[in-house]
Amino acid sequence: DQQVKQNSPSLSVQEGRISILNCDYTNSMFDYFLWYKKYPAEGPTFLISISSIKDKNEDGRFTVFLNKSAKHLSLHIVPSQPGDSAVYFCAASGGPNAGNMLTFGGGTRLMVKP
Amino acid sequence: ETGVTQTPRHLVMGMTNKKSLKCEQHLGHNAMYWYKQSAKKPLELMFVYNFKEQTENNSVPSRFSPECPNSSHLFLHLHTLQPEDSALYLCASSQIYSGSGVGELFFGEGSRLTVL
Repeated sequence: DQQVKQNSPSLSVQEGRISILNCDYTNSMFDYFLWYKKYPAEGPTFLISISSIKDKNEDGRFTVFLNKSAKHLSLHIVPSQPGDSAVYFCAASGGPNAGNMLTFGGGTRLMVKP
Repeated sequence: ETGVTQTPRHLVMGMTNKKSLKCEQHLGHNAMYWYKQSAKKPLELMFVYNFKEQTENNSVPSRFSPECPNSSHLFLHLHTLQPEDSALYLCASSQIYSGSGVGELFFGEGSRLTVL
């Protein structure tokens, strides 16, 4: 059973608008969350992270929101640019007792149209 | 050389072949990982090495055999694979601090494996 789920396999957004990518998790022990971005023929690259002691983290055009009660996080990209077109993976870590393991979601393919 | 490099980028092998995937990290990290990405499935953790010691083997079949000779190099030895093993194999590294959970992973570009 998947502990991290990205229920939307794809998302299409117009350039300049906001992109919202969603992620749900089931394991209440997760306390650190990351977003990775993957272009074709490249490995995933780290984008932004958030600790469970926060509910928001912002880095330029990228903001991650965490709702612990709903076990839900989202990545907002605003304004969206064509270069943001990629697959986005949500990942979660269980904290100090979970060793160095990340659990990944299945990814959402974002397409930003010019 | 920068980051995490993987070779070969593409590999086609028969079910009776023996081949190896290689990963090298130039980031001074102390942990290395093998992940598998199959079509329409999440990234699956296969193996973790901390300070050259294997700390995780995520129920991976024995036809996959990892080797970590030092903290900068990681191999995945392949033998008698099945067609369903065809996937993108990603290597990653990270710096692990005592008492901390995993932080950012740095991934290589992956080795695309096709088993005929």
